[in-house]
Amino acid sequence: DAKTTQPPSMDCAEGRAANLPCNHSTISGNEYVYWYRQIHSQGPQYIIHGLKNNETNEMASLIITEDRKSSTLILPHATLRDTAVYYCIVRALFGGYQKVTFGTGTKLQVIP
Amino acid sequence: GAVVSQHPSWVICKSGTSVKIECRSLDFQATTMFWYRQFPKQSLMLMATSNEGSKATYEQGVEKDKFLINHASLTLSTLTVTSAHPEDSSFYICSARDRTSGIYEQYFGPGTRLTVT
Repeated sequence: DAKTTQPPSMDCAEGRAANLPCNHSTISGNEYVYWYRQIHSQGPQYIIHGLKNNETNEMASLIITEDRKSSTLILPHATLRDTAVYYCIVRALFGGYQKVTFGTGTKLQVIP
Repeated sequence: GAVVSQHPSWVICKSGTSVKIECRSLDFQATTMFWYRQFPKQSLMLMATSNEGSKATYEQGVEKDKFLINHASLTLSTLTVTSAHPEDSSFYICSARDRTSGIYEQYFGPGTRLTVT
């Protein structure tokens, strides 16, 4: 899996949009960008993933740059329950042997 | 979505004893399962990968004789921490890979908190 770089921590005011950046400059053409989050003392929770188009689901939006070297996870209206560590991961989906390995992630603190 | 369960959710054991943690895929078959360990304020570290019916593959630095992994069925993998010591106290998380339709999605369990006294 290609490596990713994320800021170690961010703060966001409750109700505002949280924009979490991720750099993945060595991403391969067949690798997807995945985002997970981990709330304290729980297992990782899947948020969203994408290949090259922007994606949106009920939890978040994912914006991937045209060159695919970076992406941004957007939580449109952050709540206190969104306080967690957010991990950006790149991995292939189809065939072969691949494993999900985690970097240090971004600790998001939502402030009342 | 697919569900992965772990049992127990937390366990306290005495130093020198062995502890078994179970990981189950509840609504899908998992030919591959992964075991992670997480120390306080650190990221998840992959320990080993297990494929159903074969020996597990351990990451560098992980003692295979200490962390015994068994993946006897397509829905169950177990991690046994043998002769546990306080430094083995950690949060252990399993993950199961669903191979449906050739897409290797990976789902995570809720974790097991191990405390060795």
